[in-house]
Amino acid sequence: SYELTQPPSVSVSPGQTASITCSGDKLGDRYACWYQQKPGQSPVLVIYQDTKRPSGIPERFSGSNSGNTATLTISGTQTMDEADYYCQAWDSSTRVFGGGTKLTVL
Amino acid sequence: QLQLQESGPGLVKPSETLSLTCTVSGGSLSNSLYFWGWIRQPPGKGLEWIGSGYYSGSTYYNPSLKSRVTISLDTSKNQFSLKLSSVTAADTAVYYCARDQEENFDYWGQGTLVTVSS
Repeated sequence: SYELTQPPSVSVSPGQTASITCSGDKLGDRYACWYQQKPGQSPVLVIYQDTKRPSGIPERFSGSNSGNTATLTISGTQTMDEADYYCQAWDSSTRVFGGGTKLTVL
Repeated sequence: QLQLQESGPGLVKPSETLSLTCTVSGGSLSNSLYFWGWIRQPPGKGLEWIGSGYYSGSTYYNPSLKSRVTISLDTSKNQFSLKLSSVTAADTAVYYCARDQEENFDYWGQGTLVTVSS
């Protein structure tokens, strides 16, 4: 079965750039998306089709996907961006989530 | 604005069947552009896709849960449901319903906690 691997945690200082990776076999050959989940809340889609932002998502969120790795980048990270982030891809009619990355802003 | 709302028992006994319903408002289950999915999240853990259904009756399930899962759509009520049989404590989780575009889930319900315990 297809698997997506994320680092368990990433730390960043306010105002700096945070990068969260998601690795999977030939991930660049399929679309990846990213969700933000804050404590006690439902996940929110922040990036879809590798690079697109849904309406209402700040421009500081961006994405890329090439080779075996998709990356979520948050530029000028704010304290409100502290959350868990999950990548997701689609493989043979199966939806697969990464294990999640806890982003700490300090 | 599309809204999804999960409903069902918050407590299920081991070996019994977990049953949840998702009521959709502001959009139609019959829309051919979308699937409708269930995702769960055990306490303190990550997201796990359970399965998705389509208005035509097609369904797709997580291989690890396939033998125990049934997803069905009732387009007349604009609801879709999840049944998970033979539950154990490992099935304790927050269960979310969501609109499924195959490549992503763009609208989510608020989630409902289901505890498996005697």
